[in-house]
Amino acid sequence: QKEVEQNSGPLSVPEGAIASLNCTYSDRGSQSFFWYRQYSGKSPELIMFIYSNGDKEDGRFTAQLNKASQYVSLLIRDSQPSDSATYLCAVNGGSQGNLIFGKGTKLSVKP
Amino acid sequence: DAGITQSPRYKITETGRQVTLMCHQTWSHSYMFWYRQDLGHGLRLIYYSAAADITDKGEVPDGYVVSRSKTENFPLTLESATRSQTSVYFCASRIYPGANYEQYFGPGTRLTVT
Repeated sequence: QKEVEQNSGPLSVPEGAIASLNCTYSDRGSQSFFWYRQYSGKSPELIMFIYSNGDKEDGRFTAQLNKASQYVSLLIRDSQPSDSATYLCAVNGGSQGNLIFGKGTKLSVKP
Repeated sequence: DAGITQSPRYKITETGRQVTLMCHQTWSHSYMFWYRQDLGHGLRLIYYSAAADITDKGEVPDGYVVSRSKTENFPLTLESATRSQTSVYFCASRIYPGANYEQYFGPGTRLTVT
C-alpha cells in the first residue's frame, strides 16, 4: 500500500516567519510531487509541483525534494494570515497516474 | 473559462435513495477522478476514467457507480445511499498524455445522508 505521511498539526507560526511543512512517501518509484492548499470548506488548489531533486522556488513558496530520503517539504517565507489553510502533499503512485494524498497539515499563521 | 464544475453543491438525501453527483469540465482533459474527503482519512479515490467509456475502480469504490459517455462529463451515482457515504465529494481532472500528473479539482459537493 503506497502511503504519503504528513504531520497533521496544527502548525502555528507568527506572521512573517517561515513555515516548514514536511511529507514522506513510501514508493521509491514516485516521480512527481505536489503541494495543494485547501482552505476550510473549499477544494484543494495546486500551488507547487516538483519533479527533480533539490529546490524549486515560486514567490514565497519553496518546494524541496530528496528522493534518496523519500522526503518532500514546502517552505513558506514571510507567512501571512491568508496562508492559514491545510496543506496536502501528493505524489504520483497509481497505475494510471493517480495521485496519492497525505492527510494534510493544518497551518495557522498568527497576526 | 469555467474549468470544472460540480452539481449540486449541497445535497441531503435519505438512506436507500439513489443520488447522482455531476461533474463537468471544459478543458477536454482525458483523465477524470472522483474523490471523497473525510476527517481522519484525507482524500480517497473512488473511481477514475482515462477517457470516454474507460473507467476503473479506485481505493473505495463500493456502493458507487460511474459512467463516462462524453469526455466532459463524469457523473457519480450512489445506488442506495448509506450514512457512511456522508462526505464531501470532489471531482478532478488532468491532461494526458504529456502532463506530469497535475490534477485540478472542482468545488466539491457536500452530501449528507440521513
